[in-house]
Amino acid sequence: DAGITQSPRHKVTETGTPVTLRCHQTENHRYMYWYRQDPGHGLRLIHYSYGVKDTDKGEVSDGYSVSRSKTEDFLLTLESATSSQTSVYFCAIRSGVPTGDSYNEQFFGPGTRLTVL
Amino acid sequence: AQKITQTQPGMFVQEKEAVTLDCTYDTSDQSYGLFWYKQPSSGEMIFLIYQGSYDEQNATEGRYSLNFQKARKSANLVISASQLGDSAMYFCAMREGRMDSSYKLIFGSGTRLLVRP
Repeated sequence: DAGITQSPRHKVTETGTPVTLRCHQTENHRYMYWYRQDPGHGLRLIHYSYGVKDTDKGEVSDGYSVSRSKTEDFLLTLESATSSQTSVYFCAIRSGVPTGDSYNEQFFGPGTRLTVL
Repeated sequence: AQKITQTQPGMFVQEKEAVTLDCTYDTSDQSYGLFWYKQPSSGEMIFLIYQGSYDEQNATEGRYSLNFQKARKSANLVISASQLGDSAMYFCAMREGRMDSSYKLIFGSGTRLLVRP
């Protein structure tokens, strides 16, 4: 296991409410990512972080914000949830340092299923 | 813009036979990398295999091999001796950015493989 947890694992909320998803890692990895998975689209990058307080936008960042105040936590916030944000959200981490046989791949968390009614 | 195309939404294979999952990519970068991930019905994303654009030999990991044809911009996954546990969704992804930087992954839409007993 890559030491990644996501919380909550499932959430149902109503349109217009704020929602925060948490990604927690125990690996002290530098890079963290938030993706969303929708049928027919594979995974698409929302935001990513390359260090504490260092974040940047991905392909589908509109309607989302992130924060990383410490290495182990990366929060994804939907300020005002919409039905189009119903999706499965995956967090991923990466060390950033290829070593030995490591391909420096991204390790994914278990996912959070979010339903916005 | 970088793009990954998986043209097979679903495939069947007989147990113990080999199967090839197609992946084509589009990039103007000279340095890039290609990943394959497996997503079983339980939902987690499992890294399978990686091929760097400068790697001269095709990557292999156990029963998985990557048929990398650079001129054709294809990176097909070959699974030999299919097992029932190989039934899953398979995603091809391309690295955007350097391996030692905050690279992002661009995913294809996936291929659902079903192994028949």
